[in-house]
Amino acid sequence: DIVLTQTPLSSPVTLGQPASISCRSSQSLVYGDGNTYLSWLQQRPGQPPRLLIYRVSNRFSGVPDRFSGSGAGTDFTLKISRVEAEDVGIYYCMQFTQFPRTFGQGTKVEIK
Amino acid sequence: EVQVVESGGGLVQPGGSLRLSCTVSELSFTDAWVNWVRQAPGKGLEWVGRIKSKADGGTGDYAAPVKGRFTVSRDDSKRTVHLQMNSLKTEDTAVYYCTTDSIHGSSSIRFDYWGQGTLVTVSS
Repeated sequence: DIVLTQTPLSSPVTLGQPASISCRSSQSLVYGDGNTYLSWLQQRPGQPPRLLIYRVSNRFSGVPDRFSGSGAGTDFTLKISRVEAEDVGIYYCMQFTQFPRTFGQGTKVEIK
Repeated sequence: EVQVVESGGGLVQPGGSLRLSCTVSELSFTDAWVNWVRQAPGKGLEWVGRIKSKADGGTGDYAAPVKGRFTVSRDDSKRTVHLQMNSLKTEDTAVYYCTTDSIHGSSSIRFDYWGQGTLVTVSS
């Protein structure tokens, strides 16, 4: 199985400051069709997960542009340009290049 | 607005069975693939299984811990997917989420819409 390792596991951030989460894969996530199937999810406290970013760098409908994704191959990053109070929660990377689909352990973003 | 609604969770004894349902509104359901993802209390996310659209074969794929015990099926006339869970174990205790892979324009976006989840507790 592909293992996704996120760092850090906890990220205390000052409101208005940037935050960055890394996701490293145990194997390349480039699929045979040339696409890289790496997504980022947000889970606010008490809420279900929500799709933020798909295929590395594409924001899903309704996602604020302060969220951005980048990376290639085995190394990926989610950035929040200016953290707002509503961004508190746990962020997961996930891959669907291979079965089984796997998730990172999650990174908790909280306000300092 | 797309709505994904799960139902059918509850308390069941080890070795028992339960059937979860997921109803999806406001998207092209017949073209959508549907996944189940679970989250044990205080833990991270775990993919459980998926069913393709009937046009793509209607087949299911499963994670190793549930293969042979869980089965995903779909009823497109009711816009509903079911997760039949047999031989339940205490480690199957989790919130079960239904999430779609749906078509947006000319491409598919996976895990785009999520339900609120339904809690399954396996305990004697």
